[in-house]
Amino acid sequence: QKEVEQDPGPLSVPEGAIVSLNCTYSNSAFQYFMWYRQYSRKGPELLMYTYSSGNKEDGRFTAQVDKSSKYISLFIRDSQPSDSATYLCAITDSNYQLIWGAGTKLIIKP
Amino acid sequence: DGGITQSPKYLFRKEGQNVTLSCEQNLNHDAMYWYRQDPGQGLRLIYYSQIVNDFQKGDIAEGYSVSREKKESFPLTVTSAQKNPTAFYLCASLGQGGQSPKNIQYFGAGTRLSVL
Repeated sequence: QKEVEQDPGPLSVPEGAIVSLNCTYSNSAFQYFMWYRQYSRKGPELLMYTYSSGNKEDGRFTAQVDKSSKYISLFIRDSQPSDSATYLCAITDSNYQLIWGAGTKLIIKP
Repeated sequence: DGGITQSPKYLFRKEGQNVTLSCEQNLNHDAMYWYRQDPGQGLRLIYYSQIVNDFQKGDIAEGYSVSREKKESFPLTVTSAQKNPTAFYLCASLGQGGQSPKNIQYFGAGTRLSVL
């Protein structure tokens, strides 16, 4: 079992839909939780990070962490074609090394 | 403009050849990382360096080598011992302290390596 599990997709939704992207992790000692967005043939860019259970909102994006279930989510409201990208979750271990999910390819259809 | 510069953007390797990928940063970050990304997979750590003249192997270091002679530079050499080098290679850096948590990595645009 991988330490961080993420469905690679692709996930295809119509423009304007609410998107839910998810990761599960196995180690309860993991501390920081991040979402990166990666456009095709580009490097990943940090979208959101959090370190506590609960929700963190930034514009149309909401990051949610449930430490009791070892489950993290990224919600995108009013999705746009420009949101089409691969979304990677990343979690730090006790040595502050990042452990990556496989990435979910998201396609927003106009 | 502060950032991480990777070059070249595309690279072709002949069989038996060593090739070197460049990574330069002007963010004054201490730690630098090299990742390999294959289609449908997450990022796998090749090597990392937390300080000049020191580096550690990641999960898939075999067939690769690095050096860290300057804080700004962390080149990666893909040696002939790496039998399946075709992938997208990403360099990242991480600053210690400041406003950001310790573990936020910033990435270059990547180098796509193919075998001829």
